[in-house]
Amino acid sequence: QVQLQESGPGLVKPSQTLSLTCTVSGASITSGGYYWSWIRQHPGRGLEWIGYIYYSGTTYYNPSLNSRVTIALDTSKTQFTLRLNSVTAADTAMYYCARGTLALLGREPYYFDNWGQGTLVTVSS
Amino acid sequence: QSVLTQPPSVSGTPGQRVTIPCSGGSSNIGGYSVYWYQQLPGTAPKLLIYSENQRPSGVPDRFSGSKSGTSASLAIGGLRSEDEADYYCAAWDDSLSGWVFGGGTKLTVL
Repeated sequence: QVQLQESGPGLVKPSQTLSLTCTVSGASITSGGYYWSWIRQHPGRGLEWIGYIYYSGTTYYNPSLNSRVTIALDTSKTQFTLRLNSVTAADTAMYYCARGTLALLGREPYYFDNWGQGTLVTVSS
Repeated sequence: QSVLTQPPSVSGTPGQRVTIPCSGGSSNIGGYSVYWYQQLPGTAPKLLIYSENQRPSGVPDRFSGSKSGTSASLAIGGLRSEDEADYYCAAWDDSLSGWVFGGGTKLTVL
C-alpha cells in the first residue's frame, strides 16, 4: 500500500524559500504512470493544485505559481521535493503531496488517488 | 475564488439522502471527468469518486456521482454521522492544463 509523508519547516520567513520533502513508500517513484504532485490548502479555504513531476523528470506547474516553483525527484531516497521562492503570507497553507495515477476512463491524464497527511507551513517574520 | 462552484454547506438527518452540486465550465467539467474527495476533520482528502461515478475499493455504494453538461453532483444515501466532512469536487482544466477544485462543501449530519 502506497504511503506519502510530507516533511519540512513549519515556519518560513517572508521572501525566503519554502522547501518540503515528500517521502514515498510502497511504490516506486521511477515507475511510469505516476505523476508526483503537490497541492495546497489555504486556511479555511479550498484546494489549489501546485504542480507535478513525472518519473522522467518532466514537470508542469500551475501558471499562477510557475515562476516561483520547482519540483524535483530524489530517486535515491524515493522522495520528491517542492521549493517555492519569495514566499509571502499568502503562501501560508497546508501543503499536501499526492500521487497522480493514470486516468484510464477519462480524457484527463491522471487523477489523485493517494495523499499524504499534509504539513502546515506558516509564512511569518 | 475557486474555479468550480460548490455550496458552502449542506445538511441532512441520519438515513436521509443528500446531494452536493458542483458547477464548472466547458474547459473543465464540460470536457473531463469529475472527481470527488472527502476530507474528514483534521485529515487529508481521500478519493471518494473517480471518473465521475466509480468508487475506489472500500467506499460504500451509498456514495454516487453523476454529471450533466458542465455540472456534476455527489449523492450520499442513507446518511450516517460519520459522513460529516468536507467534500470537494475536482476536474482537469484545459485552460490551466492542470487541476481545478471546488471550494468545498461542509456536510453536517443533524
